[in-house]
Amino acid sequence: NAGVTQTPKFRVLKTGQSMTLLCAQDMNHEYMYWYRQDPGMGLRLIHYSVGEGTTAKGEVPDGYNVSRLKKQNFLLGLESAAPSQTSVYFCASSSGTEDTGELFFGEGSRLTVL
Amino acid sequence: GQNIDQPTEMTATEGAIVQINCTYQTSGFNGLFWYQQHAGEAPTFLSYNVLDGLEEKGRFSSFLSRSKGYSYLLLKELQMKDSASYLCATMDSNYQLIWGAGTKLIIKP
Repeated sequence: NAGVTQTPKFRVLKTGQSMTLLCAQDMNHEYMYWYRQDPGMGLRLIHYSVGEGTTAKGEVPDGYNVSRLKKQNFLLGLESAAPSQTSVYFCASSSGTEDTGELFFGEGSRLTVL
Repeated sequence: GQNIDQPTEMTATEGAIVQINCTYQTSGFNGLFWYQQHAGEAPTFLSYNVLDGLEEKGRFSSFLSRSKGYSYLLLKELQMKDSASYLCATMDSNYQLIWGAGTKLIIKP
């Protein structure tokens, strides 16, 4: 059982380039999330989705876009990368039930913007 | 505002017990979570508390006091593999997780 899979795992971009991070989950989860993790800071929510065809902004959405065309996939796009977007990006999914909210994370994608 | 505080780093000895504290101030409260994150890896779920008291799960226990905005994670019989960061997170009134910066736990032989 693959769980949550992110691609690519590593990427180096030049300022101004665009790219898309792909997240796929095989647990039939309704909720999916994109976080970024920077040294000395907690995980910060970029965007999330509560179901196929829906997206919503999180804490730090500027400079990112997302799409959830299929329930199992959640895409994170950077239209014009900036050095401030150098980070480790984690995708996560959950069943969305309110009793636990346990998140299942992908392995992370390390992005460097030069 | 919303704020979660936990120590940046702690050191403990193999076989000993360590308590990692977390204090929080959030708008609304729908539970507190602890996650473990080994260096270079993804966070993994450890525990969930929504009511006051202690939840025990093997060598790990988690405690919550909602009136004090306080939780701790207790790790017993420490093993070298417990060296990791421990993330405290609360679920707010919108059922979104607010994360602390994490506590890096170093286990020495």
